[in-house]
Amino acid sequence: DVKVTQSSRYLVKRTGEKVFLECVQDMDHENMFWYRQDPGLGLRLIYFSYDVKMKEKGDIPEGYSVSREKKERFSLILESASTNQTSMYLCASTSAGLPSSYNEQFFGPGTRLTVL
Amino acid sequence: SQQGEEDPQALSIQEGENATMNCSYKTSINNLQWYRQNSGRGLVHLILIRSNEREKHSGRLRVTLDTSKKSSSLLITASRAADTASYFCAALRTGYALNFGKGTSLLVTP
Repeated sequence: DVKVTQSSRYLVKRTGEKVFLECVQDMDHENMFWYRQDPGLGLRLIYFSYDVKMKEKGDIPEGYSVSREKKERFSLILESASTNQTSMYLCASTSAGLPSSYNEQFFGPGTRLTVL
Repeated sequence: SQQGEEDPQALSIQEGENATMNCSYKTSINNLQWYRQNSGRGLVHLILIRSNEREKHSGRLRVTLDTSKKSSSLLITASRAADTASYFCAALRTGYALNFGKGTSLLVTP
C-alpha cells in the first residue's frame, strides 16, 4: 500500500520558533510538493521538488524554505514562525513522466500547525 | 494562482440522490483531476480525465470535460452518507504541481 507520511498530525509552536515539517514517501517518486490549506482559499502551492537537492518556488514561498537531501524525504522549514502561518500543511508526491500521461498525486494526512 | 473554481461551494442532499459539482478553469490543460478530502484529512485522488476525453466513469463517479467552455463536472450517483466530504478539481501546472480550486463541501444525510 503506497504511503506518504508526515511527521506530526498536530503541532503547536510559538512565534519566532524555527519549525520543521517532515514528509516521507515510499513510492520512489521523483516529485514532491508542499501545499497549505486555509478556509476559503483552498490549497496553495508553497514549494516543490523534482529531484534530490532540487527545489522550485510555488505561489507562496515567503517565510518558508525546503530541503530534499534524500529522494524519499521532503522537509518544509518555517524559519521564524508567525501567526499567519497557522494552517493545515499537506505534503504530496507523484512520479515523473510526460504530462500527457500524468497520473495522481498521493497526499499525506496533513499537519495542522498552530502558531501562538 | 487558482486554476479551478468549483460550484457550488456547498451542497446538501439526501442518501440515494445524485450530487453534481462543477469546475471551471482558466487556461488550457493536459488533464483535469478530482480529489476528495474527508474532514481534516489529506486528499485522495478520485478520477482523472484527459484533455482529449469528454466523459469518464469510475464506479458511481462520472466526470465530463468541455474544453471549449473550460469546464468539468463530477457526478456522484446514488449518494451515501460516506460520500460526505469536500471535493476539489485540480489542473496540472508546470513542474507536475496542481492548481486546486477552493472545493465543494458535500453533505449527504441519511
